[in-house]
Amino acid sequence: QVQLVQSGAEVKKPGSSVKVSCKFSGDSVNNFAINWMRQVPGQGLEWMGGLIPTFPTPQYSRKLEDRLTMTTDESSSTAYMEMASLRSEDTALYFCTGRLEEAGHYGLFDYWGQGTLVTVSS
Amino acid sequence: EIVMTQSPATLSVSPGERATLSCRASLGVSINLAWYQQRPGQAPRLLIYGASTRATGIPARFSGSGSGTEFTLTIASLQSEDFAVYYCQQYNNWPLLSFGGGTKVEIK
Repeated sequence: QVQLVQSGAEVKKPGSSVKVSCKFSGDSVNNFAINWMRQVPGQGLEWMGGLIPTFPTPQYSRKLEDRLTMTTDESSSTAYMEMASLRSEDTALYFCTGRLEEAGHYGLFDYWGQGTLVTVSS
Repeated sequence: EIVMTQSPATLSVSPGERATLSCRASLGVSINLAWYQQRPGQAPRLLIYGASTRATGIPARFSGSGSGTEFTLTIASLQSEDFAVYYCQQYNNWPLLSFGGGTKVEIK
């Protein structure tokens, strides 16, 4: 059974960076299309970016591409999302998602992490 | 960017009644449309993909229909656990993905 477990809540200062982890169990992280979403409390879902194992580079939303880095570590079966130059409006719940690459339709989200709350405040 | 518009924003329904949620895409997305359910304090859960195919473990009271730009999610007989927020999402061309703003289904 596939499970995604994310790292704990973070409190950051404006201008700093945050790195959120998402550990895959039940299958190797390298078998998954991984997308990251965020949700401002009480609001809707925003796609941030994603990475497909057989694609050369991650894809990021235009709004966030200058500040985002998404990576994976096969040895620990973990995906990472790092965001730089944090602002108060980045305060949100961040979710990792997974879909087996062999299933295609990389924009579908079968498996979800529990979410990581990132609070940006001075 | 394809804009997804959901209506209504809030739907008040009594338990056991039918709920009908709508989703409109600003451009055609074929049947590359999914619905997600999000209960309070939880991550979203995939309900429907391909506009009408239920995901694994989703009860038969959930059904989806539509293609192109107009889509509907129907919950045949609302159970207590169905009161939640529902999002539609188009995935016609990764990574150009987008979500609707959500419909909150609340107890009448």
